[in-house]
Amino acid sequence: EVQLVESGGGLVQPGGSLRLSCAASGFAFSDNWMSWVRQAPGKGLEWVGQIKHDGSEKYYVDSVKGRFSISRDNANNSLYLQMNSLRAEDTAVYYCAREASGTTFVYWGQGALVTVSS
Amino acid sequence: DTHMTQSPSSLSASVGDRVTITCRASQTITSSLNWYQQRPGRAPRLLIYGASTLQSGVPSRFSGSGSGTDFTLTITSLQPEDSATYYCQHRGTFGQGTDLEI
Repeated sequence: EVQLVESGGGLVQPGGSLRLSCAASGFAFSDNWMSWVRQAPGKGLEWVGQIKHDGSEKYYVDSVKGRFSISRDNANNSLYLQMNSLRAEDTAVYYCAREASGTTFVYWGQGALVTVSS
Repeated sequence: DTHMTQSPSSLSASVGDRVTITCRASQTITSSLNWYQQRPGRAPRLLIYGASTLQSGVPSRFSGSGSGTDFTLTITSLQPEDSATYYCQHRGTFGQGTDLEI
């Protein structure tokens, strides 16, 4: 059974940093592109960024470029999202997602809530 | 970047009804279009990929069609559990969502 479990969410002050983790199991993690998708309270889905199976390519939505960084540890089946210089508008539930071809989000985690507030 | 526009933004229907949600891309995207269902408080779930291929485990009352710039998600014989928000998606862009109330 495919499982994606996010952790690391919480309350952080504007300008602060937070690191989300996603523990993957039930599939060949090192063979898959992975993405982060977020959802602000009461709003729609927004793709944040993605990382190639070997970590050699990474892409981000413009609003987080230079502030967020995606990484992975294939030996430990883990995906990460390092978030720096956080803003109130980054408040959202963050989902990790396993991709299939064509940037199709086949499996999703349960999400981790990040709240940026003073 | 391709912009995705869904319509309607919300709709209400009854059990047993048939509904159609449309998604329009700002430029041609061939068949690279996916549909997701998100129930309240839950993570999204993939329903349809490649515009018309049903994801494993999804009931056959869900179907997708279209290519180029215009796509549709059709749900027949609506069930109470179909109350949810539905999103189309192409690469890094999601539509704004359609709230379906049963």
